[in-house]
Amino acid sequence: DAGVIQSPRHEVTEMGQEVTLRCKPISGHDYLFWYRQTMMRGLELLIYFNNNVPIDDSGMPEDRFSAKMPNASFSTLKIQPSEPRDSAVYFCASSLSQLPDSNQPQHFGDGTRLSIL
Amino acid sequence: AQTVTQSQPEMSVQEAETVTLSCTYDTSENNYYLFWYKQPPSRQMILVIRQEAYKQQNATENRFSVNFQKAAKSFSLKISDSQLGDTAMYFCAFMTYYNFNKFYFGSGTKLNVKP
Repeated sequence: DAGVIQSPRHEVTEMGQEVTLRCKPISGHDYLFWYRQTMMRGLELLIYFNNNVPIDDSGMPEDRFSAKMPNASFSTLKIQPSEPRDSAVYFCASSLSQLPDSNQPQHFGDGTRLSIL
Repeated sequence: AQTVTQSQPEMSVQEAETVTLSCTYDTSENNYYLFWYKQPPSRQMILVIRQEAYKQQNATENRFSVNFQKAAKSFSLKISDSQLGDTAMYFCAFMTYYNFNKFYFGSGTKLNVKP
């Protein structure tokens, strides 16, 4: 399996522009997560889906952020309009099990490094 | 609200030696799970070890073990016989029984293993 695939790997754009991050989870995984990683705050859970349905979006920082999962193999995280403080690495992860362990870990993508100028 | 604190932003250890990374957390829950994740320079996140709060026995995975002190809300990670490949960011994470899949992560500890 190719693992969780995120695109783009790097994104540099000017503030005010719309940014769309993409994620393809591992086939068969029922859960998909979006995280944001910054030096100041570490790793934060933004939102997660179960069977394509958003379950908890309480971590989404502002209305400028939105996430969708139109089908089991694709999800997007959109920021509109983008701001410099949105600069971070954004991770997507998927899992089969509700509770990760060494046999059923939560699989992370390589992340998208987002820089807003 | 659940919070996770890692008070050591960066640590170094000589190859083959032992190092302990600290983690404390705050919760009013009695049942929960604790995790350590490793993030090498490749940016992948790798699950290192998991501990269930109802278990008194500390979890171990090969060279990795934890010291879980429930009353003190402390969950430290010990890496024995450190290897160069252990160089990475390490994140402590917390999850409640009743809200599966909502992780609360610490800010991370950068571990440098020196040859």
